[in-house]
This record gives sequence, structure tokens and C-alpha cells, in this order.
Amino acid sequence: DAKTTQPNSMESNEEEPVHLPCNHSTISGTDYIHWYRQLPSQGPEYVIHGLTSNVNNRMASLAIAEDRKSSTLILHRATLRDAAVYYCILDSGGYQKVTFGTGTKLQVIP
Amino acid sequence: DAGVTQSPTHLIKTRGQQVTLRCSPKSGHDTVSWYQQALGQGPQFIFQYYEEEERQRGNFPDRFSGHQFPNYSSELNVNALLLGDSALYLCASSEGLAGGAYTDTQYFGPGTRLTVL
Repeated sequence: DAKTTQPNSMESNEEEPVHLPCNHSTISGTDYIHWYRQLPSQGPEYVIHGLTSNVNNRMASLAIAEDRKSSTLILHRATLRDAAVYYCILDSGGYQKVTFGTGTKLQVIP
Repeated sequence: DAGVTQSPTHLIKTRGQQVTLRCSPKSGHDTVSWYQQALGQGPQFIFQYYEEEERQRGNFPDRFSGHQFPNYSSELNVNALLLGDSALYLCASSEGLAGGAYTDTQYFGPGTRLTVL
């Protein structure tokens, strides 16, 4: 399985933008990039996914490098509710198992 | 829509015992995956069920087994419990790749916290 690398932790001030990086240098052409986040005492929840083009939804934006070896999850205005562990994972579809790393723990400072 | 539900919420067992965890998928979902999450770690894939068959399996011993019922709900069974089996067990459901989708979005339940003493 292709692996991802993320910083262990990051801090952001409330209402500031947050850029969460993810490296996936061994990504294959069929791998989709998915982001999930896990709030304390909850199961992970889907945030966003993409293949090649940048993507936006109501929760966040996903910026994918042209060579697809890295991506960045962008939270436009961090709130206290965004404090969570953020996981970047690769999914090749075709019923392949999904591998989570240790993620990035985001702390939002009031 | 109740989303993915899991039972029980918490469970305490002793070494050597057996445990069964249950999961009901989100309405309209036919694929169920199980994950083990140790404290401070990301979820680790155990296996995935579709059409009552185990379709994919992660690196877990045969002590971990599962079942999917015709209504798509699922059970995870763990035999001969070890202290190291203490973890949060997460169930996730998805639509699979129905309708020609190329990738799958998973919806997770709140998990079952298993403590083995």
C-alpha cells in the first residue's frame, strides 16, 4: 500500500486559515487522496477527497500538487470545533483496504 | 437517518474470553469495514464485508473473524482475547463502488471501546 507522511501536530489560532500538509511520494495513478478527521471520543468523519484537480466543499479545500506527490488540506477559518486528528489516506478503489497513518493533531488556540 | 451504529459502547473482558461486537450500516450502504484503533494510533484495517463475504483482510490473526447478515449489518468476533486487543473498534460503512464510482467514502460509527484485563 502506498503510504502517507504527515506532521504529528500543528497549531492554529482561531479564525485563521490552516494548511495541513501530506506527502505521498509513492502514490499510484489510480490512488485517490482522502482526508478524514477524528474529533475526540468519536469515529473518523469524511472531510474531502480528490484525484488530480483541486477540490472544494463546505468543510474544506484540497490542493493537490501537479506531480500528485503531496497535497494540502485547507481549513479557511479554523474554529475550536476543528480541533481534531486529521488523516490523509490513499484509496485506489477496487475494494482495496485503506491504511490510516498516525495523522496530524490540530490544536486550535482561542 | 441514524448513520452507522455500534453496540455495545464499552466492554470489559478478561484474557482468553471471546467477544462479539455489532454494527449497523448507514441506510443504503452494503459494504462494512472493521478497524482497530489503539490509543494514540490511527485506525488499522481488519477486514471488509460485502454481500455476506469477506472481501479484503488486513494483517490480523484468525482469532479475528466476522460476519455480514442479509440486512448488511455485521459482527466482529475476537476469540482468545489478549491484553493487546484492548482498543477502540470502529465500524465503517460505504456504498461500495456501486453506480460506477471510482473511489469509496466511508462513514464511521462511534466505536466500541474494548478493555481486556
